[in-house]
Amino acid sequence: GENVEQHPSTLSVQEGDSAVIKCTYSDSASNYFPWYKQELGKRPQLIIDIRSNVGEKKDQRIAVTLNKTAKHFSLHITETQPEDSAVYFCAASNRGGSQGNLIFGKGTKLSVKP
Amino acid sequence: DVKVTQSSRYLVKRTGEKVFLECVQDMDHENMFWYRQDPGLGLRLIYFSYDVKMKEKGDIPEGYSVSREKKERFSLILESASTNQTSMYLCASSLLSDNTEAFFGQGTRLTVV
Repeated sequence: GENVEQHPSTLSVQEGDSAVIKCTYSDSASNYFPWYKQELGKRPQLIIDIRSNVGEKKDQRIAVTLNKTAKHFSLHITETQPEDSAVYFCAASNRGGSQGNLIFGKGTKLSVKP
Repeated sequence: DVKVTQSSRYLVKRTGEKVFLECVQDMDHENMFWYRQDPGLGLRLIYFSYDVKMKEKGDIPEGYSVSREKKERFSLILESASTNQTSMYLCASSLLSDNTEAFFGQGTRLTVV
């Protein structure tokens, strides 16, 4: 089955700096890679996703890159703000047919210091 | 707005009890998932279902079973609760076709004493 590794487990940055979180996956059939943000005491919510036919996607201060050959994908947050502090999870999925599973990494706790 | 609702926010059960965690979604999603969340271990998939009466084991199915009798409802069952099943349980749902967002419930904090 799919295995997703996520690094680092904790990340501390100064406000205004950039933050990068990296994930690798094992199943070459995976074709969907979402990123979720979980604030303290709240449910995980999707912040950005990328599909296997795309190499990069941006949404304001957030970007995700995908390298299918190396089987890794990364989340980039620029100009970080204190409200970016949260736990971030990457995930991989092989959608289509009956394979609807969604496997998550262990999470990265991001702290943005004012 | 998509709503995924879990029946309890907090639950305390005794060792050996049979425990039911219920999850209901209102968006006609085919996929439904059960995860447990533990510090440092992230979200681990217990079971998922892509259709009524269909179920697939995730990474940690031992000690759990599931039931999907109706499309909108996915139940997680702990046949005989043990203290190592104390955890936060999260339900999620998504469309089956294409690659679409999974929506999470608010979570159930289960404590087994």
